[in-house]
Amino acid sequence: QVQLVESGGGVVQPGRSLRLSCGVSGFTFSRYLMHWVRQSPGKGLDWVAVVSSDGTKNYYADSVKGRFTISRDNSKNTLYLQMDSLRVEDTAVYYCVSGESMIVRGVKVDVLDIWGQGTRVTVSS
Amino acid sequence: EIQMTQSPSSLSASVGDRVTITCRASQSISNYLNWYQQKVGKAPNLLIYAASNLQSGVPSRFSGSGSGTDFTLTISSLQPEDFATYYCQQSDSTPWTFGQGTKVEIK
Repeated sequence: QVQLVESGGGVVQPGRSLRLSCGVSGFTFSRYLMHWVRQSPGKGLDWVAVVSSDGTKNYYADSVKGRFTISRDNSKNTLYLQMDSLRVEDTAVYYCVSGESMIVRGVKVDVLDIWGQGTRVTVSS
Repeated sequence: EIQMTQSPSSLSASVGDRVTITCRASQSISNYLNWYQQKVGKAPNLLIYAASNLQSGVPSRFSGSGSGTDFTLTISSLQPEDFATYYCQQSDSTPWTFGQGTKVEIK
């Protein structure tokens, strides 16, 4: 059974740091892109970051670039999100999501495939 | 950054109605467009990928169309379990971006 389980959320003051973890089981973690996606209270979905299957490449939303770092440990089947210089507007539920590449008429299309249940981060003084 | 705009933001419909949601990209994204369904308190779920391909296990009453900048999600006959929020998302280029969502409510 495929499972993605986030942890590490909580309440933190602006300017402080927090590290989220996502433990994965039930599929070959090292073969897949992994993403973080967040959702502020009552708001829509906001893509945060992605890391390549081998951990060597990553991309970020402009809103978190320079403050957040996505990484993975394939030996531990775990994804991380290091969040520094947190702001009130970073308050959200953070989802760990596995990426999948769908092949459509010979073209690869990436999707957000399997989602964790989310972990809540509240940034407040 | 590619902006994704959905319309309407919300709609009220009855069971059995045909429902159409549109999504427009700020520049051409070919068919790199996916649709997700999110029910209250749950994580989103992939419905359609590459604009028109139904994800495994998704009922055939859901369909998608479009390419370039204009896309449509259609529910041919709305069922009680379809009341949810729907999001489009482009995977043409990073940063990936979502539409603001369309909430489908019971009339």
